[in-house]
Amino acid sequence: DAMVIQNPRYQVTQFGKPVTLSCSQTLNHNVMYWYQQKSSQAPKLLFHYYDKDFNNEADTPDNFQSRRPNTSFCFLDIRSPGLGDAAMYLCATSRDSRGLETQYFGPGTRLLVL
Amino acid sequence: GENVEQHPSTLSVQEGDSAVIKCTYSDSASNYFPWYKQELGKRPQLIIDIRSNVGEKKDQRIAVTLNKTAKHFSLHITETQPEDSAVYFCAASNPQAGTALIFGKGTTLSVSS
Repeated sequence: DAMVIQNPRYQVTQFGKPVTLSCSQTLNHNVMYWYQQKSSQAPKLLFHYYDKDFNNEADTPDNFQSRRPNTSFCFLDIRSPGLGDAAMYLCATSRDSRGLETQYFGPGTRLLVL
Repeated sequence: GENVEQHPSTLSVQEGDSAVIKCTYSDSASNYFPWYKQELGKRPQLIIDIRSNVGEKKDQRIAVTLNKTAKHFSLHITETQPEDSAVYFCAASNPQAGTALIFGKGTTLSVSS
């Protein structure tokens, strides 16, 4: 019954080594989001896609990129991970972008940078 | 931009007591207010939400109230149980800001039996 799926659940990478996290959804939602959540903090929005339209938050570092090849899949690429990028990365979806729709979160990928 | 303040940051109650978590927001244009529960190491899960056309919504032991004039909304949990222990996040959404949910900093609720 999983609706928002994230792989892998745990990812270990080395300092500076590119890493890709993936998210897929079975809800056929138009909007997909990537959040970063550090320990004991609230989720912080990195960017989102409305269909194929990419929307970057102003304070998201250039080190973070995203791709959405189709409705179901969205990827988060971290080009050169630093120690400060260790966090839980949450994918979420919503039906549309009017700001009134429920966001459904995936289980997250916990990233460790060595 | 929108700013959401959430209080308290930690809350400890005895099983069976009620728990109240309060949030205030700054942007009067915000009109969607969800509450998420996040257990340790798990995803945030929506437990209840309210839109600005209503003042109160209830779902079994959980209720949310919204005061648009004062720009605050609250989560009420009655007859708390140990499994209610988690971090609770409030959020606000302003359609003028697009889809972004602005989260409060979270409240760690501990229910002891």
